[in-house]
Amino acid sequence: GAGVSQSPSNKVTEKGKDVELRCDPISGHTALYWYRQRLGQGLEFLIYFQGNSAPDKSGLPSDRFSAERTGESVSTLTIQRTQQEDSAVYLCASSPRQGNQPQHFGDGTRLSIL
Amino acid sequence: RKEVEQDPGPFNVPEGATVAFNCTYSNSASQSFFWYRQDCRKEPKLLMSVYSSGNEDGRFTAQLNRASQYISLLIRDSKLSDSATYLCAASNYGGSQGNLIFGKGTKLSVKP
Repeated sequence: GAGVSQSPSNKVTEKGKDVELRCDPISGHTALYWYRQRLGQGLEFLIYFQGNSAPDKSGLPSDRFSAERTGESVSTLTIQRTQQEDSAVYLCASSPRQGNQPQHFGDGTRLSIL
Repeated sequence: RKEVEQDPGPFNVPEGATVAFNCTYSNSASQSFFWYRQDCRKEPKLLMSVYSSGNEDGRFTAQLNRASQYISLLIRDSKLSDSATYLCAASNYGGSQGNLIFGKGTKLSVKP
């Protein structure tokens, strides 16, 4: 079956622009997670969804970041007024449900802010 | 104290060597543990889950020590293709419920 799919694979944009990143989880997975990974660094948790609800938004770095999920499927991560420090790989993962389940990652979106 | 800690390495070992990584976690309520492998500029891929009784998958053995709050990964007969960064992860309850907390990874380089 298909794995986690993210789009676009790469995004280059100018500082100050808004960007929208998309994640299609594995079919049937109710939990969905967003992470950020800067070059040479570890995974930074951003937000997770259980169904369409986001119980924990504490990882979002600022109010320029938002995310939503619809139909217990696709999720979008939106970054408004991008800054150069937003440059990173944004990884999405899904799992059958929250808690004790391993997460399966997509290929990520490599975001570069000029 | 960081929630999940790993020695960043790098561990440079010759082919055929046995290498072991440890990972400590701070949340005693964590229930689930995993090892992931991440190749350069790629996404993390699940290597194996870590069970209380320990588990083995070919050349890879994972163990959990709840008393000391650490998990380990042992790789026997290292191959060149094992070169990667190995991330450990622990489930996090009480804080970001439902999330996994990842270590920053241990880099392994297997040399001919």
